[in-house]
Amino acid sequence: ILNVEQSPQSLHVQEGDSTNFTCSFPSSNFYALHWYRWETAKSPEALFVMTLNGDEKKKGRISATLNTKEGYSYLYIKGSQPEDSATYLCAFQGGAGNMLTFGGGTRLMVKP
Amino acid sequence: NAGVMQNPRHLVRRRGQEARLRCSPMKGHSHVYWYRQLPEEGLKFMVYLQKENIIDESGMPKERFSAEFPKEGPSILRIQQVVRGDSAAYFCASSPRQVSSGNTIYFGEGSWLTVV
Repeated sequence: ILNVEQSPQSLHVQEGDSTNFTCSFPSSNFYALHWYRWETAKSPEALFVMTLNGDEKKKGRISATLNTKEGYSYLYIKGSQPEDSATYLCAFQGGAGNMLTFGGGTRLMVKP
Repeated sequence: NAGVMQNPRHLVRRRGQEARLRCSPMKGHSHVYWYRQLPEEGLKFMVYLQKENIIDESGMPKERFSAEFPKEGPSILRIQQVVRGDSAAYFCASSPRQVSSGNTIYFGEGSWLTVV
């Protein structure tokens, strides 16, 4: 059983704050790490797919880094806005064509 | 381009009845994945299908659950003789090919099954 952990489970921040959270995954048999953003009553939306150690990806105010040797990825949100409120999921993929194993998610709430 | 379409969005079944959940993948996608979210838990993989083939069903309960993805029509997740513990959100995702080289899977909005 693959262990994919996300921390914290939930996070409350004020509008304008920058924040980050962590995804931990097995450091062996790594193929890719996927990040999703999931708003209530909607479908999870793909943010990033990261494959190389040291990868950094950016989409607007959201960025992510990857360390495959130690088995973690960070997601950063700069200047959080209320519309960033969502659950952020990471998913580990252990080989080409393998299914994705999801972490439990970090629920972010941004107060205006 | 329509996204992954799931129906019904909400389904109520009495214990012992059958539940059928349908998933139409995105246009051009021939790979389908079913995930389940039990209350207070994360997304758990159930089954991965390609047209007319089951590729990986390692997450599927051995009894009462089955899945298919026929040559024509949607993928169907079938739960026979439902029990209260089957109450969950069932999510379908699709991809155009096997997930490799930086591509990913795209999710539908889910089907919520309630067993009473």
